[in-house]
Amino acid sequence: DTEVTQTPKHLVMGMTNKKSLKCEQHMGHRAMYWYKQKAKKPPELMFVYSYEKLSINESVPSRFSPECPNSSLLNLHLHALQPEDSALYLCASSIQDRSYEQYFGPGTRLTVT
Amino acid sequence: KQEVTQIPAALSVPEGENLVLNCSFTDSAIYNLQWFRQDPGKGLTSLLLIQSSQREQTSGRLNASLDKSSGRSTLYIAASQPGDSATYLCAVYSGNTPLVFGKGTRLSVIA
Repeated sequence: DTEVTQTPKHLVMGMTNKKSLKCEQHMGHRAMYWYKQKAKKPPELMFVYSYEKLSINESVPSRFSPECPNSSLLNLHLHALQPEDSALYLCASSIQDRSYEQYFGPGTRLTVT
Repeated sequence: KQEVTQIPAALSVPEGENLVLNCSFTDSAIYNLQWFRQDPGKGLTSLLLIQSSQREQTSGRLNASLDKSSGRSTLYIAASQPGDSATYLCAVYSGNTPLVFGKGTRLSVIA
């Protein structure tokens, strides 16, 4: 199984809502990543988890809160988002952090109204 | 700070043509370089990973080369097909940030 799954596929939320994005992999990878991608732009790294510990936070606003409950699961909790946060949110995993091939999920298309 | 550039930004070719996509990076001290494909609104599909000690990698009709000293990589696609139409992204790992992406080349293969 070389698949990274993400749910939901699409999400529409208001600026006062709280929602969560979910990412799962069963490849035994110990590094997981969240990226944000705006239209016609490359992905931008948000967070890196290595062995279930947050190792990189690319100065992401606190309205985005990551969580790694176990080695297979990665969540991104969303609260009080702004319309400019609308984007494709991509999850990825690799065997370990750094220098290993990353496998990406299909993404969650988020629209903030 | 590592910067990755991809040329051209867009490319349109007739079916069956062989083509080359280019990627350049400013810091040659990389660990690896990865080529991805992305269909509109979808996630990234890893095509090829080249370690810094390697010169090229092949997968089917795809061949990626790496010249670390000159800071360049090319992705060669043989006998292009309409199904190859997508955006191709190059990304390098060179130390502090796991992957630095180029802006991509948008490829259209016309039947």
